[in-house]
Amino acid sequence: EADIYQTPRYLVIGTGKKITLECSQTMGHDKMYWYQQDPGMELHLIHYSYGVNSTEKGDLSSESTVSRIRTEHFPLTLESARPSHTSQYLCASSAMTGFYEQYFGPGTRLTVT
Amino acid sequence: GEDVEQSLFLSVREGDSSVINCTYTDSSSTYLYWYKQEPGAGLQLLTYIFSNMDMKQDQRLTVLLNKKDKHLSLRIADTQTGDSAIYFCALGSSNTGKLIFGQGTTLQVKP
Repeated sequence: EADIYQTPRYLVIGTGKKITLECSQTMGHDKMYWYQQDPGMELHLIHYSYGVNSTEKGDLSSESTVSRIRTEHFPLTLESARPSHTSQYLCASSAMTGFYEQYFGPGTRLTVT
Repeated sequence: GEDVEQSLFLSVREGDSSVINCTYTDSSSTYLYWYKQEPGAGLQLLTYIFSNMDMKQDQRLTVLLNKKDKHLSLRIADTQTGDSAIYFCALGSSNTGKLIFGQGTTLQVKP
């Protein structure tokens, strides 16, 4: 079944640690996105990619980095986690053409202590 | 840039209709969407409407688009407790392919 997956679902980690949030999709989509969702519920686009070896920064500045080596995989990395990185991170994908609708993964809840 | 506004909270009784509203500033969007987010989950696409349509109905959901007033609404008929969630409207930019989301409306359904 075509779907979009995120791991881990929950992560509690200490300050200064390096972390990678995984996102994979089996939908055959070219476009992938990372959003940060703050406690006030608003979604902020932090990274997006339109294909392999293509990555762009989103509307909200983020200290995280992303890579797109394979079409189905779009990991997000924080080199040195800080408490200000505590948030919900949502990954999404969409087709290159069509209605632009995005399909979301279940999210990763990150807590940095 | 595009600005999308939603009221933050709506409370209704089970069985009543719910109407969630969304206003926007940029009229160049080709597609407009409604997403639902349940606690601890990602966003689920509920429905969408093309910018050349005024209304779309899908079972209990009715989407109304007033382009003159730049107003989008989602009506949920016979609201159930399982409809309790956060609802996001989103506008699709045909230029960038990105979505611009509203702040989300928390729908509380009381039994």
